[in-house]
Amino acid sequence: EPEVTQTPSHQVTQMGQEVILRCVPISNHLYFYWYRQILGQKVEFLVSFYNNEISEKSEIFDDQFSVERPDGSNFTLKIRSTKLEDSAMYFCASISGPGELFFGEGSRLTVL
Amino acid sequence: DAKTTQPPSMDCAEGRAANLPCNHSTISGNEYVYWYRQIHSQGPQYIIHGLKNNETNEMASLIITEDRKSSTLILPHATLRDTAVYYCIVSPRRGAGSYQLTFGKGTKLSVIP
Repeated sequence: EPEVTQTPSHQVTQMGQEVILRCVPISNHLYFYWYRQILGQKVEFLVSFYNNEISEKSEIFDDQFSVERPDGSNFTLKIRSTKLEDSAMYFCASISGPGELFFGEGSRLTVL
Repeated sequence: DAKTTQPPSMDCAEGRAANLPCNHSTISGNEYVYWYRQIHSQGPQYIIHGLKNNETNEMASLIITEDRKSSTLILPHATLRDTAVYYCIVSPRRGAGSYQLTFGKGTKLSVIP
């Protein structure tokens, strides 16, 4: 069964450092998403991406965040200068059209 | 998107049917009911969705009341691997570029041996 893969599974970083989380969406999918879940809290939408540009973003997705599809397979989330409150599980998801979202297993980010 | 209300937790004996309720009394005509689940801290997994008719797939059945103000997700023969947090989400079936699913706290289902 096709799946969304994410790397790294866990990253520990110092506050103020840049972090890049990587995702390989399902190959024929065209729409890509990042969600996050702070420990013990709800899953929250961050951003959606289609045709090489952001479709929608939430209030959480401020200037410290950026997304990119650098090649035909990867979809990345960059946090420019991490803060303690960025510690969370980050989930990538993709979809081909109207239907269900496929989520990856997540990347756990710990900011010290 | 319409708000949903789910019980915070439920238990179910292994092998029995698990019936998870969801209230969505403010649902509007173009909003679908989606169910996802999250096992431990893994990524959410799609289960099923429906508009007004009952739906069934290989994982579960979805029963939506005639007035669409509530629904029930049924796992016909719960196994230990079904232990998870189940999310009921009401959302319009927007274009694929607008899947801003709003996750609530969900129902933590514990399947007991």
